[in-house]
Amino acid sequence: RKEVEQDPGPFNVPEGATVAFNCTYSNSASQSFFWYRQDCRKEPKLLMSVYSSGNEDGRFTAQLNRASQYISLLIRDSKLSDSATYLCVPDTGGGNKLTFGTGTQLKVEL
Amino acid sequence: DVKVTQSSRYLVKRTGEKVFLECVQDMDHENMFWYRQDPGLGLRLIYFSYDVKMKEKGDIPEGYSVSREKKERFSLILESASTNQTSMYLCASSLSTGTSEAFFGQGTRLTVV
Repeated sequence: RKEVEQDPGPFNVPEGATVAFNCTYSNSASQSFFWYRQDCRKEPKLLMSVYSSGNEDGRFTAQLNRASQYISLLIRDSKLSDSATYLCVPDTGGGNKLTFGTGTQLKVEL
Repeated sequence: DVKVTQSSRYLVKRTGEKVFLECVQDMDHENMFWYRQDPGLGLRLIYFSYDVKMKEKGDIPEGYSVSREKKERFSLILESASTNQTSMYLCASSLSTGTSEAFFGQGTRLTVV
């Protein structure tokens, strides 16, 4: 079983919509995660970290559901500039490698 | 800000050539990584290094080797390039303590013809 699994999408949403996507993980010991954002033909960049208490940054809210082993990312009031691929990654601790899923592609349209 | 710099943004090489992809980071990170990214397959780890002269195989090391002679520099080597190595190559670095948050270079799009 893959360490993380994501619906590759694309999720096509109109500007202003609220969109959410999940990421399931297999290692029940994982306690924190990252959401990375990757624009087309660019490198991934950290969007936010996710801990058991969740995290909110402006229009973006991330939650961790340890019982069901998934992480969610909610984007409110979607902007055209939110169009990107969103990658969830378990935080394996300093000195360890990051294992990425395929990511979820979001397309925000007029 | 952490800066990870890859030597080339675009590269075109011929089948059978020896190819070097260079990566330099300026934040004194212990760990460095090479990934390749292909449509539908996501980022796959080729090799990583947790110290100078130390390396470990990732998920897809076949056809690649690496070199880390200095802490700030991590090189990926394609001994004999093949067309199935046409891909986007991403270098990353991270600390050995705290979280595993990684910082990426801008990527090298390699085409082997």
